[in-house]
Amino acid sequence: AQSVTQPDIHITVSEGASLELRCNYSYGATPYLFWYVQSPGQGLQLLLKYFSGDTLVQGIKGFEAEFKRSQSSFNLRKPSVHWSDAAEYFCAVGGYSGGYQKVTFGTGTKLQVIP
Amino acid sequence: DTGVSQDPRHKITKRGQNVTFRCDPISEHNRLYWYRQTLGQGPEFLTYFQNEAQLEKSRLLSDRFSAERPKGSFSTLEIQRTEQGDSAMYLCASSFPRGVNEKLFFGSGTQLSVL
Repeated sequence: AQSVTQPDIHITVSEGASLELRCNYSYGATPYLFWYVQSPGQGLQLLLKYFSGDTLVQGIKGFEAEFKRSQSSFNLRKPSVHWSDAAEYFCAVGGYSGGYQKVTFGTGTKLQVIP
Repeated sequence: DTGVSQDPRHKITKRGQNVTFRCDPISEHNRLYWYRQTLGQGPEFLTYFQNEAQLEKSRLLSDRFSAERPKGSFSTLEIQRTEQGDSAMYLCASSFPRGVNEKLFFGSGTQLSVL
């Protein structure tokens, strides 16, 4: 069975500081990995995804993530956080089953940005 | 695109009542997904449509839940005899099949509170 662990429920960073959100996954084959962001009152928005190839993935809004198979991790990073990045971030793992995208989400990490 | 639209945004109901939610996907998207998100958890898959055909249902979808997509456009999710445990955010997502490049677009969700 596939699963995702996001060990940090809540993280606070100062504006301009760097950010790393942790994600560990369990999946039987080569995983498809995703990071989504959810702002209050908004739906989930895809930040980036990894399917294959280069293990460092660039996404929108200046985010990147690195796939490390040996550590079963897919951590999200941003070199300099902006106040508008305050939101909840979800890591997800999945693949294609029955011809559609079957995704399991983690429990999320809530990011607070302080001035 | 105009995005995925969900109605209502909020629904408060008494235990035992029936409720129905509506999702309008992005017009050219023929795939539609329903997810449920409870407090402190990530979204959990409920069901999936390809056009009007409901192709997969999670075991989370008890007999009290029914989803339809009668003309392959909008979809409804009905919960009969609501229970307090049904309180959650119900998210809809739509996509166009592009193999591994399929991207899910999420609506803002319907927040259900069962009193």
